[in-house]
Amino acid sequence: GAGVSQTPSNKVTEKGKYVELRCDPISGHTALYWYRQSLGQGPEFLIYFQGTGAADDSGLPNDRFFAVRPEGSVSTLKIQRTERGDSAVYLCASSLTWTPNTGELFFGEGSRLTVL
Amino acid sequence: KNQVEQSPQSLIILEGKNCTLQCNYTVSPFSNLRWYKQDTGRGPVSLTIMTFSENTKSNGRYTATLDADTKQSSLHITASQLSDSASYICVVSARSGGGADGLTFGKGTHLIIQP
Repeated sequence: GAGVSQTPSNKVTEKGKYVELRCDPISGHTALYWYRQSLGQGPEFLIYFQGTGAADDSGLPNDRFFAVRPEGSVSTLKIQRTERGDSAVYLCASSLTWTPNTGELFFGEGSRLTVL
Repeated sequence: KNQVEQSPQSLIILEGKNCTLQCNYTVSPFSNLRWYKQDTGRGPVSLTIMTFSENTKSNGRYTATLDADTKQSSLHITASQLSDSASYICVVSARSGGGADGLTFGKGTHLIIQP
């Protein structure tokens, strides 16, 4: 596609439920990133993929959070046993270069997660 | 610890006026500095990327400056338009440190343009 696509754009769930958020990066971009953004804050790094493998998942807050990118393109962020504190906008970005701090980052529109 | 501080936190100006947003950072070793515009409910969009050797860069009505000695950057918006209402996020890249992505994000300046 022309840009980074994220679905769903909005997700409302109940505490304790499982959610999946999907990211479809720009075609040909090998690097993919997930961020979490709370109201009034800048994006917070969660995990970074280079190809199919998670190059670094040090930003994931706990083991309820998991992300996959099985074929090196689409990625899914999975959150188990959701808590109200998980409510935020989850942003996905992709980059052509594998070097994260020099490549141009292209962000999706985000998935707004609300946990009731 | 790498940090990026932005000021002001929020700003309201009248349409047609100019404004300047500030970014101070303590990221080291410095690689580049980026300004992003984030409209409400949208993802951030890149405005400029500046490397160590660049001290000014323009993108239409947006002009970014960088002083690598004092570790300060500014984003100047000329002849503001209603569509400039957004959050402006300063992001500094290090060759190491920050998140694993090597980026340290500021919290943003929330700019409101009033008619």
